[in-house]
Amino acid sequence: QQQVKQSPQSLIVQKGGISIINCAYENTAFDYFPWYQQFPGKGPALLIAIRPDVSEKKEGRFTISFNKSAKQFSLHIMDSQPGDSATYFCAASETRWGQNFVFGPGTRLSVLP
Amino acid sequence: DAGVTQSPTHLIKTRGQQVTLRCSPKSGHDTVSWYQQALGQGPQFIFQYYEEEERQRGNFPDRFSGHQFPNYSSELNVNALLLGDSALYLCASSFPAGSTDTQYFGPGTRLTVL
Repeated sequence: QQQVKQSPQSLIVQKGGISIINCAYENTAFDYFPWYQQFPGKGPALLIAIRPDVSEKKEGRFTISFNKSAKQFSLHIMDSQPGDSATYFCAASETRWGQNFVFGPGTRLSVLP
Repeated sequence: DAGVTQSPTHLIKTRGQQVTLRCSPKSGHDTVSWYQQALGQGPQFIFQYYEEEERQRGNFPDRFSGHQFPNYSSELNVNALLLGDSALYLCASSFPAGSTDTQYFGPGTRLTVL
């Protein structure tokens, strides 16, 4: 019930291409869905986040698509760059519990030059 | 504005020992959460401190304990270390508790248990 599933485990994209990472959850009480980017040896850094009252949110090259009925959400990285090569984590939380995040297992993205 | 800071950066301990990790939250933040990130996995929630009290706890044994000080900084203590405790320990801060603001993570402390 608390699990967040994430796919693919790894992803290789050519420079300029679109990277798509998918996540799914079961707990309908989740109401906050952030995506984090993590480089080796660093802590996760917030990329973009969404709440269930909207179906899409865009910030620069990053877009979250949210499907409440399917309990799925995805991250799209447009015009992927080699500097985007990192591990990406989706997460979910119930705000009323003070944002205790449940993380997906991560997707290792490699963008080839 | 300093972000979340953690110390030490790296730590090597042997089985059975005890360890203390430290965290200073981002300026203005009053809530501190601790996560364990095993190699190749996503972070797992250990516990959260607010107003110097443990407010939430994940599925971790009592060997994991913590403390929050009046200046909002926090410590994570792990007793009777096991090999499986080797991981990156992340501290995250947020303010105010339960708001739309998200959690900001520190760089982590890499703990190796031999």
